[in-house]
Amino acid sequence: GAGVSQSPSNKVTEKGKDVELRCDPISGHTALYWYRQSLGQGLEFLIYFQGNSAPDKSGLPSDRFSAERTGGSVSTLTIQRTQQEDSAVYLCASSSSSDPFFGQGTRLTVV
Amino acid sequence: QKEVEQDPGPLSVPEGAIVSLNCTYSNSAFQYFMWYRQYSRKGPELLMYTYSSGNKEDGRFTAQVDKSSKYISLFIRDSQPSDSATYLCAMRTTSGTYKYIFGTGTRLKVLA
Repeated sequence: GAGVSQSPSNKVTEKGKDVELRCDPISGHTALYWYRQSLGQGLEFLIYFQGNSAPDKSGLPSDRFSAERTGGSVSTLTIQRTQQEDSAVYLCASSSSSDPFFGQGTRLTVV
Repeated sequence: QKEVEQDPGPLSVPEGAIVSLNCTYSNSAFQYFMWYRQYSRKGPELLMYTYSSGNKEDGRFTAQVDKSSKYISLFIRDSQPSDSATYLCAMRTTSGTYKYIFGTGTRLKVLA
């Protein structure tokens, strides 16, 4: 597609359940980012993938969070045993020697 | 203290007004500055970027950077209701880094 695509757009889950968020980056973009946006908190860096290099996971808030990128393209962010404080908008972005282009985000609500 | 400070607003202005949005930062190593616009329930979209002190103009938008004061601004002339959105500043150090630091965003409402 022409832009970064994320699915689902919205996800409501029960506390303690696992969730998977998907990101399809712009074709040809080698860099992929995940950010979390909470109300009044700005964008919080989570993880960065660049080509075949080891990802920078330094922003992941706990070991309940993990992400993978298969074949240098699609990425999945997994949150295990979700907590209410995980409720936020999860944004994916991709780039190729440019500033990142963002998807529309997945709004996660943990009830 | 956060690395990047941005007033969250909301900022309400009448249509046609000149809008000034600002960010301050503490890390003098920041060299690249960007402004993103985010409409409600959408992802941020890159509006402008600048790599040097001074002004950069694009249509109704002007980005201004003052590295000596660690202060950046985005000016919107002849503001329109369609400009109503959240504006986020972002910055990073050298060209080789991918660590973008974002402000919290300023919510702008332009009243018709």
